[in-house]
Amino acid sequence: QKEVEQNSGPLSVPEGAIASLNCTYSDRGSQSFFWYRQYSGKSPELIMSIYSNGDKEDGRFTAQLNKASQYVSLLIRDSQPSDSATYLCAAPPFNAGNNRKLIWGLGTSLAVNP
Amino acid sequence: DVKVTQSSRYLVKRTGEKVFLECVQDMDHENMFWYRQDPGLGLRLIYFSYDVKMKEKGDIPEGYSVSREKKERFSLILESASTNQTSMYLCASLEGQGLINEQFFGPGTRLTVL
Repeated sequence: QKEVEQNSGPLSVPEGAIASLNCTYSDRGSQSFFWYRQYSGKSPELIMSIYSNGDKEDGRFTAQLNKASQYVSLLIRDSQPSDSATYLCAAPPFNAGNNRKLIWGLGTSLAVNP
Repeated sequence: DVKVTQSSRYLVKRTGEKVFLECVQDMDHENMFWYRQDPGLGLRLIYFSYDVKMKEKGDIPEGYSVSREKKERFSLILESASTNQTSMYLCASLEGQGLINEQFFGPGTRLTVL
C-alpha cells in the first residue's frame, strides 16, 4: 500500500516565524509532489508543486524535495495568522499512466499565533 | 479561473433514500473525482472518471455509483443512503497533462444521513 505520511500536529508557531511542514512517501517512483492548503470548512487548494530535487520558492513558500530520502517539505516564511490551516501533501503513484489519482496524506494542522 | 460547482452545500437525507450529488466544471477537464473527507481519515477517493462514460473505482466505492454522461458533469449516487455515509463530499477536476496534476476542488457538500 503506497502511503504519504505527515505529522498531524497541531504545529503552533508565532507570527513572523518560519513554519516547517514535513511529508514522507513510500513510492520511490513518485515523480511529482503537491502541497494543498485547506482552511477549516473549505475545500483544498493547491499552493505548491515540485518535480525536481532541491528547492522551489514561491513568495513566502518554499517546497523542498529529496527523492533519495523520500521526503518533501514546505517552509512558510514570515508566518501570518492567515496561514493557519491544514496542509495536505499529495503525490501520484508511480506508473499511474493515464490514472490521475493522487495519494493524500492526512494533513498537518498549522496554527500561527499573533 | 477554473470553477467547480457542487449542487448543494448542505444536504440532510434519511436512511434508505437515494441521493444524487452533482458536480459541474467549466474548464473542459478530462478527469473528475469524487472524494469523501472525514476527521482523522483524510481524503478518500470514491470514484474517478477520465473521460465521458468512463469511470474507475477508487479506494472506497462500496455503496456508491457514478455517472458521467457529459464531460462537464460528474454525478455521485448513493443508492440507499446509510448513516455511515454522513460525511463531507468533495468533487475535483483535473486537466491531466504530463506531470501537471492540479486538482481543482468544488466547495463540498456536507451530507447528513439520519
